[in-house]
Amino acid sequence: DGGITQSPKYLFRKEGQNVTLSCEQNLNHDAMYWYRQDPGQGLRLIYYSQIVNDFQKGDIAEGYSVSREKKESFPLTVTSAQKNPTAFYLCASSIDLEGAAYGYTFGSGTRLTVV
Amino acid sequence: LAKITQPISMDSYEGQEVNITCSHNNIATNDYITWYQQFPSQGPRFIIQGYKTKVTNEVASLFIPADRKSSTLSLPRVSLSDTAVYYCLVGHTGRRALTFGSGTRLQVQP
Repeated sequence: DGGITQSPKYLFRKEGQNVTLSCEQNLNHDAMYWYRQDPGQGLRLIYYSQIVNDFQKGDIAEGYSVSREKKESFPLTVTSAQKNPTAFYLCASSIDLEGAAYGYTFGSGTRLTVV
Repeated sequence: LAKITQPISMDSYEGQEVNITCSHNNIATNDYITWYQQFPSQGPRFIIQGYKTKVTNEVASLFIPADRKSSTLSLPRVSLSDTAVYYCLVGHTGRRALTFGSGTRLQVQP
């Protein structure tokens, strides 16, 4: 089955640590996205990528970094500079950026907690 | 960007039809309207998309008036499993990425 796999499902981070969230897709989609969701809130865009080796900042990129070395993979690193990282993180993909309006496919999310 | 307004929450009972209206007064000519459904601790799921008039699929219907300044998602005969948050999004091809609002929290009672 084609889809998006996010791992781990739950992640705990100590203060001052960097952590990396994995996102892999086998849909052959060009565009990939990272969103953050806080309790009772909508999704906020962190980073997005149209193509391999290219990515752009979203609305809340500070304290986060990404890479896109392979079409299938778009990992998100939550750095120690992110002061309030506890949230639900969602990865999504679309055929391409032009096709974003036609629908995203989302992963099942990673819940990050700072301990 | 189109400013989107939708109710924060709605309540319904099993078997009823539910209509959720979304306002998008400054929608652009080339914008599409898309609805997503999200269950707790899951990623949103695409429900339906339209440009004008009416669109229907196996899950829902989407009604868009001629001026396109609003749209209504219609869920026929809801069940308990339809309890979720529903997001209305407006965007078009070439837009950098879709922006999600806070959505409408639908609670279906037995």
